[in-house]
Amino acid sequence: AQSVTQPDIHITVSEGASLELRCNYSYGATPYLFWYVQSPGQGLQLLLKYFSGDTLVQGIKGFEAEFKRSQSSFNLRKPSVHWSDAAEYFCAVAQISSGSARQLTFGSGTQLTVLP
Amino acid sequence: EPEVTQTPSHQVTQMGQEVILRCVPISNHLYFYWYRQILGQKVEFLVSFYNNEISEKSEIFDDQFSVERPDGSNFTLKIRSTKLEDSAMYFCASRWGGSYEQYFGPGTRLTVT
Repeated sequence: AQSVTQPDIHITVSEGASLELRCNYSYGATPYLFWYVQSPGQGLQLLLKYFSGDTLVQGIKGFEAEFKRSQSSFNLRKPSVHWSDAAEYFCAVAQISSGSARQLTFGSGTQLTVLP
Repeated sequence: EPEVTQTPSHQVTQMGQEVILRCVPISNHLYFYWYRQILGQKVEFLVSFYNNEISEKSEIFDDQFSVERPDGSNFTLKIRSTKLEDSAMYFCASRWGGSYEQYFGPGTRLTVT
């Protein structure tokens, strides 16, 4: 079964600093990978996705992620963090099953705190 | 921009009561999902629904749970006899058939007392 690991439970950065959130996956085939963000009291908003092709993908709000098959990683990055980026970030992989439902398996999440 | 909506935003119920959580997926989407997130834990898959039937379900989705698409717009999750451990945030999601990204609603916080 596939799994997703986010090794950092909580990260604190200063506003304007760069950010990297780590995500490692365990999956037998080419994964379909996602990053979602959850602000307090809000639902899960899709930041970006990787299906195939260029391993560096761009998302909304200035985020990008790089797929590295050799490291089984899909780390999320942002060059300059804004106070509004404070939220919880979830990495997820779409499960390939006998059907086509492709439910998502999520990591435990990384809580991002941004200092002024 | 189309959104997935969920009602109510917060539901408080007593143990043993039935609850129905409602979702309106994005209108041209074909696959529908329920997930839950117990406070402080991972988001977990419950069930997927396609072509008016369940296509996948997790071990969590036991006989106490059921889903229905009663009309062309709503997608519901029913818990027949709630337990304390059903307290969680329940998210509905949907996706279009030609892509794999799922769009999530804002969630319903279910509190079982």
